Amino acid sequence: KNQVEQSPQSLIILEGKNCTLQCNYTVSPFSNLRWYKQDTGRGPVSLTIMTFSENTKSNGRYTATLDADTKQSSLHITASQLSDSASYICVVSDRGSTLGRLYFGRGTQLTVWP
Amino acid sequence: EADIYQTPRYLVIGTGKKITLECSQTMGHDKMYWYQQDPGMELHLIHYSYGVNSTEKGDLSSESTVSRIRTEHFPLTLESARPSHTSQYLCASSELGVDTEAFFGQGTRLTVV
Repeated sequence: KNQVEQSPQSLIILEGKNCTLQCNYTVSPFSNLRWYKQDTGRGPVSLTIMTFSENTKSNGRYTATLDADTKQSSLHITASQLSDSASYICVVSDRGSTLGRLYFGRGTQLTVWP
Repeated sequence: EADIYQTPRYLVIGTGKKITLECSQTMGHDKMYWYQQDPGMELHLIHYSYGVNSTEKGDLSSESTVSRIRTEHFPLTLESARPSHTSQYLCASSELGVDTEAFFGQGTRLTVV
């Protein structure tokens, strides 16, 4: 069964600290993995996309890693800011159909305190 | 900022009413989707479309219906709202292809009382 599991479910950190969010997936055949940021009451916005051959990709203070062998990804946030408070969703796409089916994790709710 | 818009943002409606949630995108995307999201839960696909006159049901059983008469417009209709329909509804669109990015609207928070 194609699934995406994220951990931790929630996380509280102090402003300026770093944190790492985890994503494990069983989606096959794998196409790509995206991390989305979803602010409260808003739609998700893509942060990074990683394909099978990519190990690391950065977008400002966000760095995503992918290990396609173990089917694990992480999102590292450096020097956190109050505006980083949001839900971070791991989304995996398959190649099993022309639709490019999306599988969503439940998200990690990150809260950054001053 | 993605050019995909949902209206209304918030809606409180009584049981048994008919409602239509609007979704429009100006990016010329062929693929459009409707997702349902409850707090702390993953997004569930309820409808999708490959293009004009194409609509399909997603994984989550839903009493809603959709139509795709124009490329840019993908409305979702509930003929008779019930409290179990209370949820957040997210519309998204993307280009055709497997690795294309899905752009999301800001969502409609529906409450049925």
